[in-house]
Amino acid sequence: EAGVAQSPRYKIIEKRQSVAFWCNPISGHATLYWYQQILGQGPKLLIQFQNNGVVDDSQLPKDRFSAERLKGVDSTLKIQPAKLEDSAVYLCASSFGTPSYNEQFFGPGTRLTVL
Amino acid sequence: ELKVEQNPLFLSMQEGKNYTIYCNYSTTSDRLYWYRQDPGKSLESLFVLLSNGAVKQEGRLMASLDTKARLSTLHITAAVHDLSATYFCAVAGYGGSQGNLIFGKGTKLSVKP
Repeated sequence: EAGVAQSPRYKIIEKRQSVAFWCNPISGHATLYWYQQILGQGPKLLIQFQNNGVVDDSQLPKDRFSAERLKGVDSTLKIQPAKLEDSAVYLCASSFGTPSYNEQFFGPGTRLTVL
Repeated sequence: ELKVEQNPLFLSMQEGKNYTIYCNYSTTSDRLYWYRQDPGKSLESLFVLLSNGAVKQEGRLMASLDTKARLSTLHITAAVHDLSATYFCAVAGYGGSQGNLIFGKGTKLSVKP
């Protein structure tokens, strides 16, 4: 079974530029998550989708971050404009069905450096 | 607000020794996960603990959960160099935020010969 795919793996941009990340979850997984992991810390949930609907985006900085999952499969996360403090690894995860008791599987992540 | 604390944050061990990593959390939860992360890699699921008293073992690692004490432990037996990694515990939010995993800061384990 193929795992969660993410691209790009690395991205370097200057502050105030825009950037987008892509995630393809495990086939059949209805729930998709985006996490931000700052160096030396645990991942922090940014947004959770159930199929193509948003379940939880309470920690997403909506003035600059946006995410979509239009067809309930792939998802994109965008930052516009980027700030220095956005430098982090962005992890996508997916789980089967509803979140309750379902294990999350993580992708390899996208390492973003904002200069 | 659910908070998760791990200790220690850094652990340097000698091969062959035993040690325990602790994970405390602040409010009720019915699921706790342990993940392993190697440098530059993503998170690998180790254990899912769903009930009070749950104990799971895989190789040299054993995880347990005490929901009354809001405490989970990850015990390492006879450490080997291959176990060097960062270990995270994550606790699931309760009720409406069930999908929201709150992670600890991680324990960076270094096993030396």
